Amino acid sequence: GDSVTQMEGPVTLSEEAFLTINCTYTATGYPSLFWYVQYPGEGLQLLLKATKADDKGSNKGFEATYRKETTSFHLEKGSVQVSDSAVYFCALNSNQGGKLIFGQGTELSVKP
Amino acid sequence: EAGVTQFPSHSVIEKGQTVTLRCDPISGHDNLYWYRRVMGKEIKFLLHFVKESKQDESGMPNNRFLAERTGGTYSTLKVQPAELEDSGVYFCASSQDMTKGTEAFFGQGTRLTVV
Repeated sequence: GDSVTQMEGPVTLSEEAFLTINCTYTATGYPSLFWYVQYPGEGLQLLLKATKADDKGSNKGFEATYRKETTSFHLEKGSVQVSDSAVYFCALNSNQGGKLIFGQGTELSVKP
Repeated sequence: EAGVTQFPSHSVIEKGQTVTLRCDPISGHDNLYWYRRVMGKEIKFLLHFVKESKQDESGMPNNRFLAERTGGTYSTLKVQPAELEDSGVYFCASSQDMTKGTEAFFGQGTRLTVV
């Protein structure tokens, strides 16, 4: 069945460091790919998405490119801030129906 | 516009008791989903409503879980009787349609602890 694998956390970085959170997937067909973020005390919110191969999603300085050849959707940010501290979830949807398949989440902590 | 709202935010119950979680989706969203995250693992799908009908309940763990969405508005998820392994964070989400690229809007979750 479909699955998503994320790099394990927690990840601790200093402010202004470069961030990469790896995400790979297994899916039938051509899924849509998402990154959701959960800030402390809040619900999940969509960070970015890509719906077809080679698409790049971007938001708030974060980027991820849909790589079909490597079945990956790695999240990157050039310079993290303390306010980026959160749990990040990679997810896919491969069928009509809206059901999301999530990775296990990666906790990011950014220190000043 | 109000987002997805879940009640309660936390619940601590004893094994064998009953708990009911509630989700109010965004107004006008026909699609409502329940998910669960157990002990820092991945968020797992439980079920999907389209209006008041269960579209997909393949993720429901067993018959101790009962979900309803009477009238196609808010939804409840009842656990009866609760077991220790039911502890986790239960998320509700809603969306306008079911296409692959549609954004799902999530509530803050209900943290359930069974002791």
